[in-house]
Amino acid sequence: AQSVTQLDSHVSVSEGTPVLLRCNYSSSYSPSLFWYVQHPNKGLQLLLKYTSAATLVKGINGFEAEFKKSETSFHLTKPSAHMSDAAEYFCVVSALNDYKLSFGAGTTVTVRA
Amino acid sequence: SAVISQKPSRDICQRGTSLTIQCQVDSQVTMMFWYRQQPGQSLTLIATANQGSEATYESGFVIDKFPISRPNLTFSTLTVSNMSPEDSSIYLCSVDGVGGTDTQYFGPGTRLTVL
Repeated sequence: AQSVTQLDSHVSVSEGTPVLLRCNYSSSYSPSLFWYVQHPNKGLQLLLKYTSAATLVKGINGFEAEFKKSETSFHLTKPSAHMSDAAEYFCVVSALNDYKLSFGAGTTVTVRA
Repeated sequence: SAVISQKPSRDICQRGTSLTIQCQVDSQVTMMFWYRQQPGQSLTLIATANQGSEATYESGFVIDKFPISRPNLTFSTLTVSNMSPEDSSIYLCSVDGVGGTDTQYFGPGTRLTVL
């Protein structure tokens, strides 16, 4: 079985400052890990995914995440927040080659001008 | 990636009625999924719909309440039956296996309010 814990329910940052969203995972098998973003009244958009290749994964819109097996973490970062980054972010895990996704509770990001 | 559309985008329904949500994808996919996102919460998988077979439901979800059809490789429907206010949620479909990848792509969702 697999699960994820998003350590922050809400993150508030100033525009132009770094963003860090923390995610720890639990998986019995080699996991696939994803970050999705959901803007208000929109569907989910894939930011990036990790599937046992490079541990540092680059995604869209300047986001990246680092897979750390020793810490069972997959934290999402962006060096400089933009107002358009205000959204809900979900960390998601699945076992490799398993279609079933387990979603974290989500982190709401607020960006202050 | 895949382009996925859902109809309707939102609806307000009376309790006791049923609503059928459509999901259309622009390429053929093997697996389609239906999720529920209750207000302020994360996503929960309702069922997996493969073409040519019965849908597989997750624990806590039953076919009588959420019947699903999957008539072909690009289309699926989810019906929310005998609705109550507790069914007020966003319902999202997703697809897997586009271009041979193991990534799920999501539709825009259907926002359902039951009065």
